[in-house]
Amino acid sequence: DAGVIQSPRHEVTEMGQEVTLRCKPISGHNSLFWYRQTMMRGLELLIYFNNNVPIDDSGMPEDRFSAKMPNASFSTLKIQPSEPRDSAVYFCASSLQGGFAGELFFGEGSRLTVL
Amino acid sequence: AQTVTQSQPEMSVQEAETVTLSCTYDTSENNYYLFWYKQPPSRQMILVIRQEAYKQQNATENRFSVNFQKAAKSFSLKISDSQLGDTAMYFCAFMAQGAQKLVFGQGTRLTINP
Repeated sequence: DAGVIQSPRHEVTEMGQEVTLRCKPISGHNSLFWYRQTMMRGLELLIYFNNNVPIDDSGMPEDRFSAKMPNASFSTLKIQPSEPRDSAVYFCASSLQGGFAGELFFGEGSRLTVL
Repeated sequence: AQTVTQSQPEMSVQEAETVTLSCTYDTSENNYYLFWYKQPPSRQMILVIRQEAYKQQNATENRFSVNFQKAAKSFSLKISDSQLGDTAMYFCAFMAQGAQKLVFGQGTRLTINP
């Protein structure tokens, strides 16, 4: 299995631009999570989906952030417009709901730099 | 709300030594899970070990073991016979039973020196 695949691995953009981060979960997993990691705030859960349905988006910072999961094998996290404070590493993780509790499989992250 | 605290931002030991990473947490839940995740320089988070709060026996995975003190809300990770490949950030995490949200601590940067 290829694991959780995220793209791009690195993104540098200018303030005001739209950013789209992509994630392909592990085949067969039905839960998908988006986390953000910064030095100041550590790892924060932004949103998670079960069976492609958003369950908890209380961690999404503001309306500039949106996430979608159109099917079981693909999810996007979009920031529009981007701001320098959005600079962080964004992780996607997947798991099997009802499986080994807490065993999340993480991607390698997308490092976003907003200038 | 649950909180997880790792009081050691950085630690460094020599190869083959034993090292213990500390973690405390705060919760009003009675049933929950605790985890240690490892984040090597490649950035990918990897589950190291897991403990169910209802189990009194401490979890062990090869060289990794935990000391779970439920009353004290303490959950430390011991790495025996440390290896260079253990160099990484280590995150303690909490999840309430029935929930799917992992709450992470701030992490401890562990360096194993040759």
